[in-house]
Order: sequence, then C-alpha cells, then structure tokens
Amino acid sequence: DTGVSQDPRHKITKRGQNVTFRCDPISEHNRLYWYRQTLGQGPEFLTYFQNEAQLEKSRLLSDRFSAERPKGSFSTLEIQRTEQGDSAMYLCASSSTGTSRAREQFFGPGTRLTVL
Amino acid sequence: DQQVKQNSPSLSVQEGRISILNCDYTNSMFDYFLWYKKYPAEGPTFLISISSIKDKNEDGRFTVFLNKSAKHLSLHIVPSQPGDSAVYFCAAPPPNSGYALNFGKGTSLLVTP
Repeated sequence: DTGVSQDPRHKITKRGQNVTFRCDPISEHNRLYWYRQTLGQGPEFLTYFQNEAQLEKSRLLSDRFSAERPKGSFSTLEIQRTEQGDSAMYLCASSSTGTSRAREQFFGPGTRLTVL
Repeated sequence: DQQVKQNSPSLSVQEGRISILNCDYTNSMFDYFLWYKKYPAEGPTFLISISSIKDKNEDGRFTVFLNKSAKHLSLHIVPSQPGDSAVYFCAAPPPNSGYALNFGKGTSLLVTP
C-alpha cells in the first residue's frame, strides 16, 4: 500500500494529557499537511511542510500544538495539555511539487482523538 | 471566514438519476478547484478538479462545471450509484500556491436503490 498512513487510528485520552500522532506520506511526496476536522465541518488547515521545513501555520495551531518532520519523511503532531475542544479527526495529507497534479493532496485515514 | 461554501448539507437521489452538488466561493482569485469524496472513518479521496481556464472537466460519470462570473461550481454524477453515497467536499487552494486547501462544509449524498 503506497498511500498516506496515520497512526494511531483512534486515541482516547484524559484532559491534560499529551498525545502524539504520526503520519507517513506517500514516499515521493515532498509536501505534507495537517488538517483537523470536527463534526459537520470540512477539514481545516493546521500546518504544512515542504521537505523538513515547516512553512506555514494556521492560527488554529495554538502553542499547545507542535508538528515536526525531522528528515523530510514522516511527520508527528503533538498536542500538549489536551482540552475537550481538541476532540476531532486529525488528517494528514501529502502532495508532490513539480508535477501536473501538484495541487492534489492525498489524504490518510485520519486519527480520531477523543478527550474525556 | 468561509471562502468556500456548500449550502446544502444533504442530498438524496434515486439510483440511476443525476446528482448535482453545488459549491460557491467568495475569492475571485481562486484559480483551481477540487472535489473530494469522504466515506465514514476514512480520509477524503480526491475525485476531480478543474482549473479556472476551463468551464468543464469530465471524468467518467463525474463532471465538474465552473461558472466564474457567478463564483459557482457544481459536480454532476450521472448515473448515480449507491456506492456514491458519501460526503462530498469542494475545496480550493489559495491563489498561486498549492497549500492550505480551503474546504466547504460538505454535502452528504445518499443514493437510494
């Protein structure tokens, strides 16, 4: 399977705990994106990497959130001191520059976070 | 500020008939649009796209129409099949970049046998 993978698929945590999610993009894709989706909404952009550089962050990405892509391959998204409002589906996507389909982002299955 | 709007939360269509999903946008600088389909517990799957230099793009049963003067696009599915039942999202990247897709809230399509 050469698609985008995310781990874990589900995470239940207590308020105040830290959680970390992992995303493995399509191997030849140099761009990686994180989105958050809540019920009844479309995905909302959080942050974006080109190779290992984090080039854009949304105002939704509070200082409790941090994302890394240390070697330009997989990425992690950490949420510190989780709050109930962080409960959402966290989606990762990837894309490739320099192709005719550079604007198409390919999504993983998401990580469903529930904060109790 | 929602720059991409899907004003119909749900749509029900009989199998074999046409499904028409609508999307409006506010930023006249948008020059590329994408449609994604999402099944429950899965990530969105790319369906079809259109550049603003075109007014129509067709791929099998799926056709997207773009009306730039009205800032409106629509996705036509003909004929609709029960497997098309999913949530459909319209999205657009910021002008002149490929980042940060702006998504609508989605339309849930139900195709009944």
